[in-house]
Amino acid sequence: GAGVSQSPSNKVTEKGKDVELRCDPISGHTALYWYRQSLGQGLEFLIYFQGNSAPDKSGLPSDRFSAERTGGSVSTLTIQRTQQEDSAVYLCASSLGIAGGLNEQFFGPGTRLTVL
Amino acid sequence: AQRVTQPEKLLSVFKGAPVELKCNYSYSGSPELFWYVQYSRQRLQLLLRHISRESIKGFTADLNKGETSFHLKKPFAQEEDSAMYYCALRGGIQGAQKLVFGQGTRLTINP
Repeated sequence: GAGVSQSPSNKVTEKGKDVELRCDPISGHTALYWYRQSLGQGLEFLIYFQGNSAPDKSGLPSDRFSAERTGGSVSTLTIQRTQQEDSAVYLCASSLGIAGGLNEQFFGPGTRLTVL
Repeated sequence: AQRVTQPEKLLSVFKGAPVELKCNYSYSGSPELFWYVQYSRQRLQLLLRHISRESIKGFTADLNKGETSFHLKKPFAQEEDSAMYYCALRGGIQGAQKLVFGQGTRLTINP
């Protein structure tokens, strides 16, 4: 079956514009995660969705960042009024959402965001 | 607070030599530890996890709770091991599913 997919693969935008990044998780995976991979910062957790529970937004760096997950499947990460420091690769992952060691996270290919 | 430290950003060894990628963590409870790998132009993927006590592609990692370490080792490095390696921690309580990553170590195996 298909793995996690993300679109677009690359996005170049101007400072101040809004962007939307999309993630399609593996079918049947109830948990979905967003991470950010940037130079000097490594991989940072952003937000986590699990079924119908309230998302864990503890990693979002500012209120310009938000994410939705519609129908328990596709997720959209929105960055408003982009800044140059938002330039990074945004990774999405999904998992079965069960507790314990079987809850492996599978990662998508990422969206490379460049803010000019 | 949860923290993962990988002290080496870059590591270069010769083919056939032993390799050790260091990882130290900070967590007050019982964590789950993982190593993820990202080969060139490929997506991030799980290499191994401490609870499985497995050897994958010749790599092993032992969780040392006394030293709060989870170093990744391989006795004889191969050129195809060149990649970016990330150590990650997950809090061992139900619901704390996010991964906390270290900054990564870029491993280069020289021929």
